[in-house]
Amino acid sequence: AQSVTQLGSHVSVSEGALVLLRCNYSSSVPPYLFWYVQYPNQGLQLLLKYTSAATLVKGINGFEAEFKKSETSFHLTKPSAHMSDAAEYFCAVSERGSTLGRLYFGRGTQLTVWP
Amino acid sequence: ETGVTQSPTHLIKTRGQQVTLRCSSQSGHNTVSWYQQALGQGPQFIFQYYREEENGRGNFPPRFSGLQFPNYSSELNVNALELDDSALYLCASSFKTTGVNEQFFGPGTRLTVL
Repeated sequence: AQSVTQLGSHVSVSEGALVLLRCNYSSSVPPYLFWYVQYPNQGLQLLLKYTSAATLVKGINGFEAEFKKSETSFHLTKPSAHMSDAAEYFCAVSERGSTLGRLYFGRGTQLTVWP
Repeated sequence: ETGVTQSPTHLIKTRGQQVTLRCSSQSGHNTVSWYQQALGQGPQFIFQYYREEENGRGNFPPRFSGLQFPNYSSELNVNALELDDSALYLCASSFKTTGVNEQFFGPGTRLTVL
């Protein structure tokens, strides 16, 4: 079974500071990896995904994530935080080779951005 | 291109009642997955429907059931509601392929069970 750990349920940064949200996965085979963002009272929006090839993945809104197989990690970063980045972020995995495409989510990290 | 829509937005029920939640898939998608997101938690997979049949199921009891219609819209039915069923229910549609099945989420239905 797949599992996802997001370190830090809450992260606070100042506007303009680096954003780093951590995600580690547990799987014998590197899965597909995703980051989703959820704004209050809304559904999930895909930020970026890792499927194969390039280990550094660029997404929307200036976010990027790096897949590190040796560390089983897929941390999300953004060089300069903006007030509009305040939201909940979820890391998710799905099993490579499975046609089901079931997503396993972490518990989420609430990002607060201070002016 | 129409995105994933869900209805109703909010719903209040009492314990023991039954509820039906609805989802319309994104245009061109043939698969619908349902997730339950309890307060402060990540979404948990309930089940998936493909070609009008249940294609996979998470760790949820049989009182959670679903349907998929020929137009790929879907319903989630929950019988004998319990207080712990209070959650945001998310529908996600995708196009089933042999590669990564990227899922597109609707805005969710917030269910409160009193």
